[in-house]
Amino acid sequence: SAVISQKPSRDICQRGTSLTIQCQVDSQVTMMFWYRQQPGQSLTLIATANQGSEATYESGFVIDKFPISRPNLTFSTLTVSNMSPEDSSIYLCSVVRAGETQYFGPGTRLLVL
Amino acid sequence: GENVEQHPSTLSVQEGDSAVIKCTYSDSASNYFPWYKQELGKGPQLIIDIRSNVGEKKDQRIAVTLNKTAKHFSLHITETQPEDSAVYFCAAITTSGTYKYIFGTGTRLKVLA
Repeated sequence: SAVISQKPSRDICQRGTSLTIQCQVDSQVTMMFWYRQQPGQSLTLIATANQGSEATYESGFVIDKFPISRPNLTFSTLTVSNMSPEDSSIYLCSVVRAGETQYFGPGTRLLVL
Repeated sequence: GENVEQHPSTLSVQEGDSAVIKCTYSDSASNYFPWYKQELGKGPQLIIDIRSNVGEKKDQRIAVTLNKTAKHFSLHITETQPEDSAVYFCAAITTSGTYKYIFGTGTRLKVLA
């Protein structure tokens, strides 16, 4: 398994501002992902965070809105830019260490007013 | 595109009864099938998984069955307890070529004491 922490655990933000979410893993992993989970919904993949190169975004998500960094094999950040109330959601980081099993962080609960 | 259907969306059972959640996938290349439990305010946690070369796997009160021909797999929880109450997600993963992880829509299980 993997021990994953996310900061902040929750936040309330004003529209038009940006929030950066951090994801830290206890040891090196091969893949890191960012998901969004809207209330009562399933998990939607935002992007794959690639170490040392630009993230790979899923359809409907763009780098200008969700810039991602992954400077090393244990850390990544997701920024939610120019927020609107529609961005209110849970943001989850997940990792794959070896093989194919994904492990999730505890999530960041974001409310945009 | 590929998808995973999950049923039922909500399930209420009496404590001590069994609960069954079913998923159907569309991508015949899928070869790994994990199940996650998500408690309120937490990230999804892996509870059991099965690979395509196995038909059934059991871990104490939890079991998963896989029918590759029919492309469906099921989660079975026996002797349910109130702490089993949570949202459960299935997923179908394809690891050959591009790594693809597709989640089901989730089942909210309520175990009534």
